[in-house]
Amino acid sequence: LAKTTQPISMDSYEGQEVNITCSHNNIATNDYITWYQQFPSQGPRFIIQGYKTKVTNEVASLFIPADRKSSTLSLPRVSLSDTAVYYCLVGGQGSSNTGKLIFGQGTTLQVKP
Amino acid sequence: DTGVSQDPRHKITKRGQNVTFRCDPISEHNRLYWYRQTLGQGPEFLTYFQNEAQLEKSRLLSDRFSAERPKGSFSTLEIQRTEQGDSAMYLCASSPTTLSYNEQFFGPGTRLTVL
Repeated sequence: LAKTTQPISMDSYEGQEVNITCSHNNIATNDYITWYQQFPSQGPRFIIQGYKTKVTNEVASLFIPADRKSSTLSLPRVSLSDTAVYYCLVGGQGSSNTGKLIFGQGTTLQVKP
Repeated sequence: DTGVSQDPRHKITKRGQNVTFRCDPISEHNRLYWYRQTLGQGPEFLTYFQNEAQLEKSRLLSDRFSAERPKGSFSTLEIQRTEQGDSAMYLCASSPTTLSYNEQFFGPGTRLTVL
């Protein structure tokens, strides 16, 4: 499974767009990129997943360049409630995969008023 | 709310005691996972069930740990002879086979404190 590297922490202000970049230089051909969000004392929550180019849902956008060695999670107009830890994960979709998620330390995002 | 539920939410025990946690996955989710999370770290995989079959166990799951999912619905995680190093948040997650492996639904966790 590919190792990921992301900033330990980030600060932002309410209403700003936040971009969190994750490096995954050894990503394999069948690996997808997945992001989770975790609030204190809660389990992680799936945010978004992508394979290449751009994916957008009601919560966030995920940008993946052609070489797929990095990805950027974009959160539009953050609010105080977006303060959380954000995890970037890389893993495959094959039938031999049991789906265990490999989490790193994540990025702690602090949104200030 | 029909999300993943875990019981108890908090457990304080003394070193050497046995503890058991329960996880009720979302109805009809075939896949069930247990993870452990210590302070400041991301969750670590412990074990995986597809229906009632335990298909993968992490090396983190020592002989003192056992997990079951007898009827393919709820699951239990038992820790025997607890040690202080077992203090952590134990998270359960489930997902249906119709979704990507990487999209899992987590419960609120059981926080274990071993004194």
